[in-house]
Amino acid sequence: EIVMTQSPATLSVSPGERATLSCRASQSVSSNLVWYQQKPGQAPRLLIYGASTRATGIPVRFSGSGSGTEFTLTISSLQSEDSAVYYCQQYDSWPPRGTFGQGTKVEIK
Amino acid sequence: QVQLQESGPGLVKPSETLSLTCAVSGYSISTTYYWGWIRQPPGKGLEWIGSIYHSGITYYNPSLKSRVTISVDTSKNQFSLQLSSVTAADTAVYYCARAYGSGTVSFDHWGQGILVTVSS
Repeated sequence: EIVMTQSPATLSVSPGERATLSCRASQSVSSNLVWYQQKPGQAPRLLIYGASTRATGIPVRFSGSGSGTEFTLTISSLQSEDSAVYYCQQYDSWPPRGTFGQGTKVEIK
Repeated sequence: QVQLQESGPGLVKPSETLSLTCAVSGYSISTTYYWGWIRQPPGKGLEWIGSIYHSGITYYNPSLKSRVTISVDTSKNQFSLQLSSVTAADTAVYYCARAYGSGTVSFDHWGQGILVTVSS
């Protein structure tokens, strides 16, 4: 089973600053990784798929990078509305397993 | 614009079967895409439960496979989740969702979620 580990657990960033979130896979998942944003009381929102492609309607300040076992979600200039929990999920396993990371909470400093 | 809406009991007794339905509007479930269930215990992370294609092909999370059944009703444009022998550990918000692209376990359209509590 592929284990996804996110760090840090909580990230406190000032508005306008860059936020960098990490996701590590216990074995290679190629580029088969997505990122979600979840705000309190809401369903998750797909941000990034294929490790680096922004989903429809996602602002350009969100970017994803990485492949294999190391992935990064970067919010280039943090806005107040970006306060949320961010999850990575791999979809490389066959048969499908869809393992999520435990999440990183982004707070506005 | 595709919309998904979960429905079902908000309270289920231990050892009984949890049953939820996801009504889909704005898109025919009989065409492309996989459709799935994901859950989130209060204050915790996300867990993929399983996914289904309109033809009936299903994939389940191995950790839940022995207790899960996902089915599809194309005539009603909906799909359903059954989780048997529930315990308090199954208390969670349950989401239904549509997979993106040709995928099976990652989702770009989600329902609002329904809280199901397992308690006597």
